[in-house]
Amino acid sequence: RKEVEQDPGPFNVPEGATVAFNCTYSNSASQSFFWYRQDCRKEPKLLMSVYSSGNEDGRFTAQLNRASQYISLLIRDSKLSDSATYLCVVIPPWGDKIIFGKGTRLHILP
Amino acid sequence: DTAVSQTPKYLVTQMGNDKSIKCEQNLGHDTMYWYKQDSKKFLKIMFSYNNKELIINETVPNRFSPKSPDKAHLNLHINSLELGDSAVYFCASSRRGGHEQYFGPGTRLTVT
Repeated sequence: RKEVEQDPGPFNVPEGATVAFNCTYSNSASQSFFWYRQDCRKEPKLLMSVYSSGNEDGRFTAQLNRASQYISLLIRDSKLSDSATYLCVVIPPWGDKIIFGKGTRLHILP
Repeated sequence: DTAVSQTPKYLVTQMGNDKSIKCEQNLGHDTMYWYKQDSKKFLKIMFSYNNKELIINETVPNRFSPKSPDKAHLNLHINSLELGDSAVYFCASSRRGGHEQYFGPGTRLTVT
């Protein structure tokens, strides 16, 4: 099993719809998790951290499922500007390594 | 007031040359990183420095040598460039002990 896996997509979703995607990780003792967003030909930018109890930031909700070893990102009322690649990041238990997933491409259709 | 800056933004060079990419952050962070993003968009960490000290050195050819003159700067020197080195190189920084990374705009390296 790869350290971090994401469905590469692309997810083609109509504007206004809700979309969710997951990221699985192999090391059950991983300690920290994040979602980043990367626009085409731009640098990755932190979208949100993922807390054990789940967290929400506006239309975005991140959740952690430790039992099944995945994190998820839910986007409600999707906007055209949400079109991007979403990268999950997992920090293994020893803490000094940072593992990025390969990203999930999202296209919001007008 | 750019937080993390890199120069140059584009770099086109021939195989066998030696080149450097510079990175500076004005966020007061202690930790800086170099990442490589290849043509398949896979972002992989290369090096990490914490207050000028190397703490992560992934499996990277020794043609790549990072140098950190102070905690606000982390430069990457590449010797004997190869075609496979073509990629986008991102610099990033974070607070000490934190994992939230702030990325520079990237340097698009093309080796011909």
